[in-house]
Amino acid sequence: GAGVSQSPSNKVTEKGKDVELRCDPISGHTALYWYRQSLGQGLEFLIYFQGNSAPDKSGLPSDRFSAERTGGSVSTLTIQRTQQEDSAVYLCASSLVWGADTQYFGPGTRLTVL
Amino acid sequence: GQQVMQIPQYQHVQEGEDFTTYCNSSTTLSNIQWYKQRPGGHPVFLIQLVKSGEVKKQKRLTFQFGEAKKNSSLHITATQTTDVGTYFCAGQSGGSNYKLTFGKGTLLTVNP
Repeated sequence: GAGVSQSPSNKVTEKGKDVELRCDPISGHTALYWYRQSLGQGLEFLIYFQGNSAPDKSGLPSDRFSAERTGGSVSTLTIQRTQQEDSAVYLCASSLVWGADTQYFGPGTRLTVL
Repeated sequence: GQQVMQIPQYQHVQEGEDFTTYCNSSTTLSNIQWYKQRPGGHPVFLIQLVKSGEVKKQKRLTFQFGEAKKNSSLHITATQTTDVGTYFCAGQSGGSNYKLTFGKGTLLTVNP
C-alpha cells in the first residue's frame, strides 16, 4: 500500500505567520511520530501519538508548537508565530504498533521561515 | 535523559574499502535500529537488533548489538557508490518510554 505522505512538501512563510503541516500515516498504523531535522543535524524527536493521544510531548521546542491527531489517522503539526530558527525539514513517521517497532518515514516538509 | 552518541561524524572512503560506524547509548537499550538516509531523501529503516550480543547480516552490511545492550555498530564490507548516505542509529530504552532517540548520524561518501 501507500507509504507515509506529508504535505506540503515545501513551505515558505514569513516570520510571525502560523503554519500547519500534515501527515498521512500508513493505513492501519496506530503510532505516529513527528521529528525535525535541521541542515546537517540529526533527527530531533518532537512528539508521538498512540492512537489519538500523545503520551510524550516533551520534545516540542516551545508552546508555539502543537500537534493533534484525529480518527487515529491524519496528524497535523501547527507552528504559531514562526521564527527563523523553526526552519527545518519536518519528518513524520508511523509504525504498526506503539513501542519496539519499525518506523516508516514520510518524505518530509521543508519549512523555510524568512 | 537518554543520549545516543554516534561516531564518526563523517567518513570518506575509496570504493572497495570497508566502513564502520559506532553507536553508544548512555543507558541500556531495549532495542536499537539503524536507518539510512540518502542525500535529499528521508530515513529508511535498515534493521532492528533486540538481543544482547546479536549479530545480523544483510549482504555486505553487518550489524552488531553489544552484550550490555548499550552499543552497536554497522560495518559495510567493500563499499560501493550506492552506499553513500547518512547512517543513523536509534535506540529505545523500553519500559514506559518508547521514544526513539537518534544518533546524529555518520555521513559516508565513497570515491569511485
